[in-house]
Amino acid sequence: AQSVTQLGSHVSVSEGALVLLRCNYSSSVPPYLFWYVQYPNQGLQLLLKYTSAATLVKGINGFEAEFKKSETSFHLTKPSAHMSDAAEYFCAVGPPRGNKLVFGAGTILRVKS
Amino acid sequence: NAGVTQTPKFQVLKTGQSMTLQCAQDMNHEYMSWYRQDPGMGLRLIHYSVGAGITDQGEVPNGYNVSRSTTEDFPLRLLSAAPSQTSVYFCASSHGVSGANVLTFGAGSRLTVL
Repeated sequence: AQSVTQLGSHVSVSEGALVLLRCNYSSSVPPYLFWYVQYPNQGLQLLLKYTSAATLVKGINGFEAEFKKSETSFHLTKPSAHMSDAAEYFCAVGPPRGNKLVFGAGTILRVKS
Repeated sequence: NAGVTQTPKFQVLKTGQSMTLQCAQDMNHEYMSWYRQDPGMGLRLIHYSVGAGITDQGEVPNGYNVSRSTTEDFPLRLLSAAPSQTSVYFCASSHGVSGANVLTFGAGSRLTVL
């Protein structure tokens, strides 16, 4: 079975500050890991994915995440927050093929001016 | 290229009524799925399909039916709506062989059951 825990349902940062959104996973097989972003009243869109290649994954809009097997973590970071980053972020784990992803509960990111 | 199209965007039902949420994709994706999104619970998989004529249950299938007669369409049927089915529903699709689970999501359908 696979599961995801996102620490912190709400995170607030100032514009220009570091963004850190935490994700821990549980998986009995080597996982594929994803971060999706959801802007208000929209569907989810992919930020980045880890598929057992490089452990540091770069995504869109300056986000990146590092896969740490020893810590079963896949935290999302961005060096400098922008107002447009305000959204809800979901971490997900899944098998190599198919669409049976397991999502975390989500973290709402607020960016203060 | 429309991607994944869901209709309707909003729907209000009374308890016991039935309805169908429509989902269509024009990317020739093999895999399609339905998720529901509830506050504080993320997205939970309802049903999924790996190709025309093949469907299977996800984490929360009770009260929902699906069928996949074509590659493009994957409707979700609520047989007898209950207030617990008030939620936002998302349809998603992905390639089968390649794509490594990169889901393309529709814009969502917000359902309220009174």
